[in-house]
Amino acid sequence: GAGVSQTPSNKVTEKGKYVELRCDPISGHTALYWYRQSLGQGPEFLIYFQGTGAADDSGLPNDRFFAVRPEGSVSTLKIQRTERGDSAVYLCASSLNAGDTEAFFGQGTRLTVV
Amino acid sequence: GEDVEQSLFLSVREGDSSVINCTYTDSSSTYLYWYKQEPGAGLQLLTYIFSNMDMKQDQRLTVLLNKKDKHLSLRIADTQTGDSAIYFCAEMSGSSNTGKLIFGQGTTLQVKP
Repeated sequence: GAGVSQTPSNKVTEKGKYVELRCDPISGHTALYWYRQSLGQGPEFLIYFQGTGAADDSGLPNDRFFAVRPEGSVSTLKIQRTERGDSAVYLCASSLNAGDTEAFFGQGTRLTVV
Repeated sequence: GEDVEQSLFLSVREGDSSVINCTYTDSSSTYLYWYKQEPGAGLQLLTYIFSNMDMKQDQRLTVLLNKKDKHLSLRIADTQTGDSAIYFCAEMSGSSNTGKLIFGQGTTLQVKP
């Protein structure tokens, strides 16, 4: 596709449920990033993939959060036992290579835990 | 640790210049960025500056970098109502070389007609 695509654009889930958020990066981009933007805050880094491997997952808040990128393209962010504090916009970005000047952001998935 | 700070709010009149300020702590930052976010929209990259430069101009936008003081500013000339948005300063961490960005909390720019 022309840009980074994230689905769904909105997700409402009940506390305690499991959710998956999908990111489809720009074709050929090897680096993929997940960020979380809480209301009134700037985006916070969660995890970075170089190819299929998670090269830096230091931003994941706890072990309820997990992300995969099995074929080095599409990535899924998985959240188990969701809590109301997980409500945020989850942003995905990709770049051709890690450390490139510009990463391209998707529109985000707005997750609301009720 | 790495930290980026911005003032939260700026209000200007249409046609005036706007100056949004940012400070950061990571002296190894390679690139510094300004992003714009309009309500309900994604992040739009406005401009960026390499850490060995002190100024960059791009049409109505001027970025100034004081590396000694770790201070970055964005000046918008002839501010228009369409410039109303949240502006985020971000640094690319130089120590990790992964492209990971550290963002400030954003400055809301209000442009009054």
